[in-house]
Amino acid sequence: AQSVTQPDIHITVSEGASLELRCNYSYGATPYLFWYVQSPGQGLQLLLKYFSGDTLVQGIKGFEAEFKRSQSSFNLRKPSVHWSDAAEYFCAVGEQDYGGATNKLIFGTGTLLAVQP
Amino acid sequence: GAVVSQHPSRVICKSGTSVKIECRSLDFQATTMFWYRQFPKQSLMLMATSNEGSKATYEQGVEKDKFLINHASLTLSTLTVTSAHPEDSSFYICSARGQFYEQYFGPGTRLTVT
Repeated sequence: AQSVTQPDIHITVSEGASLELRCNYSYGATPYLFWYVQSPGQGLQLLLKYFSGDTLVQGIKGFEAEFKRSQSSFNLRKPSVHWSDAAEYFCAVGEQDYGGATNKLIFGTGTLLAVQP
Repeated sequence: GAVVSQHPSRVICKSGTSVKIECRSLDFQATTMFWYRQFPKQSLMLMATSNEGSKATYEQGVEKDKFLINHASLTLSTLTVTSAHPEDSSFYICSARGQFYEQYFGPGTRLTVT
């Protein structure tokens, strides 16, 4: 069965420092991968997605993620973190049905990012 | 683009009453919408998949008679929590599937049952 692991429950970085949030997935075929961000009491906002092609994906708010098939990873990165980036980040893999259409999203447990001034 | 709204954002109801939550895709048509439940400091739990014009598909363990889902149009899905009890208090989030299978999420509805 498909699964997503985010090994870091909580991460604290200093403002201006670089950031990498880890995500590992378990999936038999080529996965559809997503990163979402959630601010407290809010819904989820799509940061970026990977379906195929270039393994380095650019997203909104200066985020990028790299798909590494050999490591079954899709880590999220940002070169310089801003205080407004403090939020919960969820990695997700799209579960494909028999017809190849992605239906459900399988979410990781999330990583809570705190940003120190 | 790809904006999803939910209404209401917060609702407090008494035990035994029913509550309806609306989820709308504002600038695109969504044949498939999803309903999630999120407990504090936890990830999202998929409750059901809602397809326009057909019955919803519920995840294992979700009571379909308690959580009624209707997807009557390409832009609107509703979740009705029937005979609500305090244990139904939670944060409910809907999403709409986009063109490339990504999901766009609403802002969520905080339900408190007293």
